[in-house]
Amino acid sequence: DAGITQSPRYKITETGRQVTLMCHQTWSHSYMFWYRQDLGHGLRLIYYSAAADITDKGEVPDGYVVSRSKTENFPLTLESATRSQTSVYFCASLQGYNEQFFGPGTRLTVL
Amino acid sequence: AQRVTQPEKLLSVFKGAPVELKCNYSYSGSPELFWYVQYSRQRLQLLLRHISRESIKGFTADLNKGETSFHLKKPFAQEEDSAMYYCALTGRGSTLGRLYFGRGTQLTVWP
Repeated sequence: DAGITQSPRYKITETGRQVTLMCHQTWSHSYMFWYRQDLGHGLRLIYYSAAADITDKGEVPDGYVVSRSKTENFPLTLESATRSQTSVYFCASLQGYNEQFFGPGTRLTVL
Repeated sequence: AQRVTQPEKLLSVFKGAPVELKCNYSYSGSPELFWYVQYSRQRLQLLLRHISRESIKGFTADLNKGETSFHLKKPFAQEEDSAMYYCALTGRGSTLGRLYFGRGTQLTVWP
């Protein structure tokens, strides 16, 4: 199916473990983004990427790492998960002029 | 610095009543404003943008540069309008597609 997908959709992990959230898009959009959604904070940008091998920090990058070796994939890694990283994570790609298309989200719980 | 403020976390109206979701922003340059919507168990999606001057699902939003506002309005709310609404901003000349979101307003339309 065309579009943007995220995996896993739900993840429970423990403090200190490394976790990778996957994002895949089929359109070959250049720009991709990672957000976290928290009650009271809305959506906050973690990292974004303008193209393969080009990434930059957003508003809340600490504790996260991204890579983009291929245009269609943009994985987000929590190097050592903390409870404050419990959140819903959304990946998005830029479609057209300034329109972002979002994935379905990954609900991450860190115990 | 850019900032998007949605003063109401929760908003409830009855079916058929008018609804207005408030959004105020601060941005030093020329902003582009958007409304995104997230229905229950669905992904975030673009509802409308100010440059299009369009009406989507009966919703309209006018950019008021003097009051730095971009309120979302609908004259007759429907139950299916119940969702989380996010106001978002990007700046012309800023990183392409990078959005700054407000904290969101949860709209509930009662039958």
